[in-house]
Amino acid sequence: DAKTTQPPSMDCAEGRAANLPCNHSTISGNEYVYWYRQIHSQGPQYIIHGLKNNETNEMASLIITEDRKSSTLILPHATLRDTAVYYCIVLSNTGNQFYFGTGTSLTVIP
Amino acid sequence: DAGVIQSPRHEVTEMGQEVTLRCKPISGHNSLFWYRQTMMRGLELLIYFNNNVPIDDSGMPEDRFSAKMPNASFSTLKIQPSEPRDSAVYFCASSLSRYKGDTQYFGPGTRLTVL
Repeated sequence: DAKTTQPPSMDCAEGRAANLPCNHSTISGNEYVYWYRQIHSQGPQYIIHGLKNNETNEMASLIITEDRKSSTLILPHATLRDTAVYYCIVLSNTGNQFYFGTGTSLTVIP
Repeated sequence: DAGVIQSPRHEVTEMGQEVTLRCKPISGHNSLFWYRQTMMRGLELLIYFNNNVPIDDSGMPEDRFSAKMPNASFSTLKIQPSEPRDSAVYFCASSLSRYKGDTQYFGPGTRLTVL
């Protein structure tokens, strides 16, 4: 399964959009891009996933580049409760490992 | 739905003692995962069950660790004997399908401290 690269930390002003990038240049055609987040002392929480097309749900939007080598998670109006570590994961349906990596620590600033 | 339930939430024990962590997956989910999280190594997959059968235990650190899933609604992770380096947060997760790539729902974790 493809590995991912994320910036270690980011800040975002409350109420503004948070854009979290992820590079996955070795992604294969059958591999999905997943995003999870982990709020301090809690278990990871599923946010969104996609294969080729951009996706949106009540929590976030996922923008995947046409070559699929990178993606961006967008939290449209960040709140203080969005402060967490965000993990980008690439995995196929039959993948053998679910690598969380080190993620991006997002701090939403009042 | 109550989500994935783990017990205990905190466990403090002395080196050499046996530790048993428990997990109840979401009803109807077919797959169950045990993870360990430490500052040094991040979140690591230990073992993965599908329909109560262990599929991949390559992440289990050594023979001191064992996991069982006697039925679809219960799993245990046992450490015997425990060592200080086993101190970590242990998460259980479940997913609907048999594939690891399916969305996983995590429990609140068990924080284990081995003195």
